[in-house]
Amino acid sequence: QQQVKQSPQSLIVQKGGISIINCAYENTAFDYFPWYQQFPGKGPALLIAIRPDVSEKKEGRFTISFNKSAKQFSLHIMDSQPGDSATYFCAARDSGGSNYKLTFGKGTLLTVNP
Amino acid sequence: GAVVSQHPSWVICKSGTSVKIECRSLDFQATTMFWYRQFPKQSLMLMATSNEGSKATYEQGVEKDKFLINHASLTLSTLTVTSAHPEDSSFYICSARVSGDGADTQYFGPGTRLTVL
Repeated sequence: QQQVKQSPQSLIVQKGGISIINCAYENTAFDYFPWYQQFPGKGPALLIAIRPDVSEKKEGRFTISFNKSAKQFSLHIMDSQPGDSATYFCAARDSGGSNYKLTFGKGTLLTVNP
Repeated sequence: GAVVSQHPSWVICKSGTSVKIECRSLDFQATTMFWYRQFPKQSLMLMATSNEGSKATYEQGVEKDKFLINHASLTLSTLTVTSAHPEDSSFYICSARVSGDGADTQYFGPGTRLTVL
């Protein structure tokens, strides 16, 4: 059972455009939602994270929108650049667990064309 | 801050040998570290959770006798792949959770590419 569903699987955007990646979850015990960026052959790097008590968080060109009632959250990359081309993973943490495990989405391969 | 290192970054070994991968938190203490496995173009699969001073907790389907995890200090966890076989070839990534201040963030290492011949 996939607990965090991520879409789309791949995304092609023109330079300067907006990239939008969506995630949905079922487990209401999730209480922390980070996004990670991964370049080929590298480990994931934390991009931005949000808790369900806020509906939006912005850091530079990256914004998370969170809809608690719909159990959905999304990553928006404004003014997308070729350097943003990478795989993006959403994740969610179960507050009921003692080890703070993260459940990851399947990832979105973003390609930003120059 | 919050830097996690892994060593080695890549390793090639013969089938039947054992390989040890180290994961270190360089500028913070981590009571909890995690080991993931990632196949090409796939998501991260959690293998086990490593807590300092106690036995690791393995995810369902992960052989604990094959993937030995030791978390001997607050800055070091090791993963040993015992009697490695070609099907164990993969990208292994560790992460470390900042401890003590209620932070939730997991910081990932750069990964170790294991190739078993």
